[in-house]
Amino acid sequence: DAGITQSPRHKVTETGTPVTLRCHQTENHRYMYWYRQDPGHGLRLIHYSYGVKDTDKGEVSDGYSVSRSKTEDFLLTLESATSSQTSVYFCAIKKAQRTSGASSYNEQFFGPGTRLTVL
Amino acid sequence: QQQVKQSPQSLIVQKGGISIINCAYENTAFDYFPWYQQFPGKGPALLIAIRPDVSEKKEGRFTISFNKSAKQFSLHIMDSQPGDSATYFCAANAGNYQLIWGAGTKLIIKP
Repeated sequence: DAGITQSPRHKVTETGTPVTLRCHQTENHRYMYWYRQDPGHGLRLIHYSYGVKDTDKGEVSDGYSVSRSKTEDFLLTLESATSSQTSVYFCAIKKAQRTSGASSYNEQFFGPGTRLTVL
Repeated sequence: QQQVKQSPQSLIVQKGGISIINCAYENTAFDYFPWYQQFPGKGPALLIAIRPDVSEKKEGRFTISFNKSAKQFSLHIMDSQPGDSATYFCAANAGNYQLIWGAGTKLIIKP
């Protein structure tokens, strides 16, 4: 399971409140990702990190911020939660990239998820 | 051009049958195509993956068929079992350390 934990696993909050989700890994991987999963949309990338203090936006980054002050922790913050942010949030890591010829690998491994409900 | 289109959305197969899920892409720069399996309440798990220089990859009952010219790839599950009931996602490596994901297929294997 690549040693990934997420906390909390479940959270119910009210509109307008700040929420922080935590992803913790034990294997020192450089790349970490936050996704949200909604029915009919599959997995959508929110933000990702390619090192301590190095982050970039994904396709659905509006309303979310991230921080990575240590290799092992990647935090996702909803500054002011809205009902549209009700979702299941997954953290993932990418194992060290292998290459073979002209191709590369992007093997991502996921945490157990956090179910967030914004009322 | 950055999309991966997956079909069908849902699929019901009899036990012992062959399950087939299809994905199509546009961007020829994609260079790695994984399939993930997700059970309810769990995170997606890497199932099998293929590179575009290979037309087929088999691991046990799971096979990826890859058609580079048609820009399509598919997952075949042979001798499908009730334990295979899950949601399956295809994806493609966009080359910037991001995966582009299909919308998912919910597979139900009827005993």
